[in-house]
Amino acid sequence: AQSVTQPDIHITVSEGASLELRCNYSYGATPYLFWYVQSPGQGLQLLLKYFSGDTLVQGIKGFEAEFKRSQSSFNLRKPSVLWSDAAEYFCAVGARTSYDKVIFGPGTSLSVIP
Amino acid sequence: DAGVIQSPRHEVTEMGQEVTLRCKPISGHNSLFWYRQTMMRGLELLIYFNNNVPIDDSGMPEDRFSAKMPNASFSTLKIQPSEPRDSAVYFCASRPPGQGWRNTEAFFGQGTRLTVV
Repeated sequence: AQSVTQPDIHITVSEGASLELRCNYSYGATPYLFWYVQSPGQGLQLLLKYFSGDTLVQGIKGFEAEFKRSQSSFNLRKPSVLWSDAAEYFCAVGARTSYDKVIFGPGTSLSVIP
Repeated sequence: DAGVIQSPRHEVTEMGQEVTLRCKPISGHNSLFWYRQTMMRGLELLIYFNNNVPIDDSGMPEDRFSAKMPNASFSTLKIQPSEPRDSAVYFCASRPPGQGWRNTEAFFGQGTRLTVV
């Protein structure tokens, strides 16, 4: 079974600073990988996803993520954070053998200092 | 499209009472998911429907939980009897037809915050 961890429970950055949110997964093969964002009181919105091919994936709102098989990681990055990026970020992993079941990590809460 | 609609947005109930959460998926979507979000356990998949049929309910925690999807435009998640440890945010998500998660995105509702006292 697949699993995913997000080592950082909470991160605070200044507006304009760069951001990297960590995600590590456990799965016996190459999984499907996702990053979702949840704004306060809202549902989850897909930022980006990786299935195969180029390991650097571009998403919405200026986010990107890089799949590193050797490190079992799928870290989310943004070169310059906006105040409006403050939210909860979830990494998720899906098994290719049972593609419908997607497991979410515990989330990382991002605060942005204006 | 109005997106995935969940009701109520907030529910406070007493222990032992029956609770029913409702979800209206996006029109044309044929997959529907119920997730539970808590601080301790994060986002857990409870059950998944495809074409109104329950496909995987292995995440349903106990027999007190049940879910139905009588038609393509409506699903319910019922807890009977409710307990304080059921307090959580419950999300519904729907997905259009396609090859599972590979080529399609799941759209989430705003969630129902359930508090059992």
